[in-house]
Formats: sequence, structure tokens, C-alpha cells
Amino acid sequence: DQQVKQNSPSLSVQEGRISILNCDYTNSMFDYFLWYKKYPAEGPTFLISISSIKDKNEDGRFTVFLNKSAKHLSLHIVPSQPGDSAVYFCAASGGNYGQNFVFGPGTRLSVLP
Amino acid sequence: DTAVSQTPKYLVTQMGNDKSIKCEQNLGHDTMYWYKQDSKKFLKIMFSYNNKELIINETVPNRFSPKSPDKAHLNLHINSLELGDSAVYFCASSPRGRISGNTIYFGEGSWLTVV
Repeated sequence: DQQVKQNSPSLSVQEGRISILNCDYTNSMFDYFLWYKKYPAEGPTFLISISSIKDKNEDGRFTVFLNKSAKHLSLHIVPSQPGDSAVYFCAASGGNYGQNFVFGPGTRLSVLP
Repeated sequence: DTAVSQTPKYLVTQMGNDKSIKCEQNLGHDTMYWYKQDSKKFLKIMFSYNNKELIINETVPNRFSPKSPDKAHLNLHINSLELGDSAVYFCASSPRGRISGNTIYFGEGSWLTVV
């Protein structure tokens, strides 16, 4: 039973354009959400997070949007660069999972030059 | 300096063997984790320790035994290895595991192949 879903296994975007990665969750107790980026043969690295009391958090080219009523969040990357090509994982924590982080299956982003 | 380091990075071993993966974090975090990334690429929690105390123990075969000698170290010992244990094992840590709002930091992973 997947509590964090990323329904797009892959996404291709032209360099300079916007990349939008989506994530849905089912557990309304989650109150903190994170995005991680993973290159091959490396561990996931933290990218950006958002608390459930906010609906937007921005850090440079990366913005995360949270829609609590829809249990949906998205990561926007603008402008996309070839170095952004990686697998992106959405993660959630909170409630009974306060000390646990539940991960989605990941979306492979390819930014084409 | 590597924040979360785990060894070995690659391990190929035969069925039935016993092996250990070591993990150390120098971030001063209280909570450490073992995650498994299976063939379908899902990252799933196996264990979590908060200041040497086991706080999460997901449904994992008894052949897997974590050991935390201190809060900076969390080792994973696997007995009687099976083919299905082949996966990537990630160690991770977070500052205060019992409080929501933390960020989790991962090691580079240990690629285990059982033949």
C-alpha cells in the first residue's frame, strides 16, 4: 500500500524549460514533505522541503508547492539544466511516522540539451 | 568530510554467508536509519535507532540485525544471505528523529549482490 505516489516514472524536458514533478500522498497525518535528488551509484541528496503549514517554498531554481486538500505536492525546476537529470524522490513524514520518512517510487528526469 | 559514510560500497557474496555493513555519521544526529532500495527502486525503511534505542523495526527477516554501539554508528548484520537480499542498502541520519520537520541525510549506499 503506497502512501506516497509518484505516478510518472519518467519525464523529459528541454533545457531552459520548466520541469514539474508531481507527488500524491494518502495519509492526512503527514505534515512535512521533502524532495530528494539521486544520481546513479550515489545516495539521495536533500533538495527542498515544505511544512504542511505552508503552501509554497522556494530555493533558487527549485520551488515546492503543497495542496493539502488534494494531498498533492509538486516540485518545479526553472530553468531546467542538463545537470538536473536524475531520479527525484518525494518523501513525507509526520503523525505516526514522525520519526520515519516514507518515500515515493521516484521520477527519472531527463533534461535534454 | 563525508557526513554519512557506509562501508563497503560494493559487496558480492555467496548464498548462506554472513556479512556486515557499517555506517557512521559525523553530523551529531540522534537518529539513524537503514533503508533498502529493492529491484523496483522503492526506498523502504528497515530500522531506525534514536540515540542507540531501536524505535522502528519494520517487517524484516530475523536474519537482519542492526547494532548501534553509539549514536554515531549503526551497523547492519545479515545472516544466511539469500538471493533476494540483493539490493542497495542506504544508511541515513536525522537530527531529532522524534520531532517532525527533520531532514534525513543519506550515505552513498552499499550495493549487495548475493550469488
